[in-house]
Amino acid sequence: GDSVTQMEGPVTLSEEAFLTINCTYTATGYPSLFWYVQYPGEGLQLLLKATKADDKGSNKGFEATYRKETTSFHLEKGSVQVSDSAVYFCALSYSGAGSYQLTFGKGTKLSVIP
Amino acid sequence: AAGVIQSPRHLIKEKRETATLKCYPIPRHDTVYWYQQGPGQDPQFLISFYEKMQSDKGSIPDRFSAQQFSDYHSELNMSSLELGDSALYFCASSSLTGGQETQYFGPGTRLLVL
Repeated sequence: GDSVTQMEGPVTLSEEAFLTINCTYTATGYPSLFWYVQYPGEGLQLLLKATKADDKGSNKGFEATYRKETTSFHLEKGSVQVSDSAVYFCALSYSGAGSYQLTFGKGTKLSVIP
Repeated sequence: AAGVIQSPRHLIKEKRETATLKCYPIPRHDTVYWYQQGPGQDPQFLISFYEKMQSDKGSIPDRFSAQQFSDYHSELNMSSLELGDSALYFCASSSLTGGQETQYFGPGTRLLVL
């Protein structure tokens, strides 16, 4: 079945450091890929997405490129801020039986210190 | 912009009691998804509805049932509650008819079973 593997956390960075969170996937066909962010005590917010190979999703300084050849969708940000502290989930959706249910990775907790 | 509304936001129940969680999708969204997120876990897909019909089923216990109504809101009914049902329950909505498979999440209902 479909699956998503994320680098394990927690990840602790200093403010203005470069961030990479690795994400690889296994899927039949061509899924859409997503990054969701969950701030403490809150729900899931869509951060960015890519729907086909070589697409780059970007939002709020975060970027991720859909790499079909390496089945990856790594999240990057050039300079993190304290406000980026949250749990980040990589996810895929693949239309099967008329549903686009999301399959999530285990999540990576990011802490940014001043 | 209008978001997904979930009620109640917090719920405390005793073992063997029943609970009903409600979800109001973004206007003009025709698809609703339910997910369960245990403490420190990734969200797990439970069930989805498209145009008031069940479209897919995930790891939903037989003690749980759900439906989508004519106004597109959805309810998740949980009976014979167990301690292990304590979790954050998310509803998400999307517009498949509109060609948008991106899911937008509500803030979640935190259920505590004592």
